[in-house]
Amino acid sequence: QVQLQESGPGLVKPSETLSLTCTVSGVSINLYNWNWIRQPADMGLEWIGRVSASGNTNYNSALKSRVAMSIDTSTNQFSLKLTSVTAADTARYFCAKDPGGGAPDSWGQGILVTVSS
Amino acid sequence: IQMTQSPSILPASVGDRVTITCRASQNINNCLAWYQQKPGKAPKLLIYKISSLEYGVPSRFSGSGSGTEFTLTISSLQPDDFATYYCQQCQAYSQWTFGQGTKVEI
Repeated sequence: QVQLQESGPGLVKPSETLSLTCTVSGVSINLYNWNWIRQPADMGLEWIGRVSASGNTNYNSALKSRVAMSIDTSTNQFSLKLTSVTAADTARYFCAKDPGGGAPDSWGQGILVTVSS
Repeated sequence: IQMTQSPSILPASVGDRVTITCRASQNINNCLAWYQQKPGKAPKLLIYKISSLEYGVPSRFSGSGSGTEFTLTISSLQPDDFATYYCQQCQAYSQWTFGQGTKVEI
């Protein structure tokens, strides 16, 4: 059974860097592509980007200048860094597995990140 | 690629046949998925590649469409189906986008 679990600070100060990790269990991270998706309260879903097992990345063009993703196959984890955050980055952040068809089929429960001083 | 869902809110009753529409700003071929999300939970994949039912999803859910217009149909709405539904395109593989969501409510 595939499980994903997000972890990281729930509160980040404006202008600082948001850093999250997704720990994958039940499957080797080498087999699939891995995504970050976020959702502000009472709003829709926004794809942030993906990282492949080989470390290749694709990012949402609207966030590209502030986003970096990486993968650690030795720990079965991948991570997200979002720099220079503002209140607009306050959201629930989900990590998700893409089996290859472009439709994430396993998601973490999400972690709420609030940007506030 | 922009994805536009309609309606935004869909009042319905148990047993109703429900249809949600998603329009893409350009041709996305067959790269279209549908998700169900309940409050406080992660989205759940229902359908991928327009009409392929994800394992374990009830057969009352179906998807159809082509090109730029797609639909999600629930043949007979059940109490567990009251939720928000999102479409998602993956044609532009480097840039996924979601619709704004359709809330199915009593």
